Amino acid sequence: AQSVTQPDIHITVSEGASLELRCNYSYGATPYLFWYVQSPGQGLQLLLKYFSGDTLVQGIKGFEAEFKRSQSSFNLRKPSVHWSDAAEYFCAVGAHTSGTYKYIFGTGTRLKVLA
Amino acid sequence: DTEVTQTPKHLVMGMTNKKSLKCEQHMGHRAMYWYKQKAKKPPELMFVYSYEKLSINESVPSRFSPECPNSSLLNLHLHALQPEDSALYLCASSQVARSEAFFGQGTRLTVV
Repeated sequence: AQSVTQPDIHITVSEGASLELRCNYSYGATPYLFWYVQSPGQGLQLLLKYFSGDTLVQGIKGFEAEFKRSQSSFNLRKPSVHWSDAAEYFCAVGAHTSGTYKYIFGTGTRLKVLA
Repeated sequence: DTEVTQTPKHLVMGMTNKKSLKCEQHMGHRAMYWYKQKAKKPPELMFVYSYEKLSINESVPSRFSPECPNSSLLNLHLHALQPEDSALYLCASSQVARSEAFFGQGTRLTVV
């Protein structure tokens, strides 16, 4: 069965510090992987996506993620965090099932940024 | 235009009311989704429409009734809801495969 695990429920970093959010997936075929960000009471905004090719993908707002097939991981990174990055981050996998495509989300990581 | 528009943004309804949530996209996407999200939880898939046909129903209670009148519109009809159905309801759309999902801002539903 397809699944996504985000081991860290909460992460706190100081503004200007680097950030890494972890994501591990379970999927039998080539995974399509995504990172979304959600501010309180809002919808989900796509940060970046991986379908194939270069395993290091760049996204919006200075985020990047690296796909490591051997570790079944797709970790999100940012070299210098801004206070406005405080939000909930969801890793997701796109999965084919019953002839349809759906998105399976991890449990999320809540990021707090200290001034 | 990469926008998914959901209306209303907020809805308060009684347990005997009937109401509908609406979702619209003009990106030519042929897959549309309803997700339910409780506070501090990830979105949970409810329904998937593919080419205007219901393709996935994740065992959602019949008090939630989806409808896809055309390729741009997705509705969620609500009837006899319970207080525990209070949540943020998110609509999304995508190409049918190998694509990211675009999400609306959600409808905050409160059942009283």
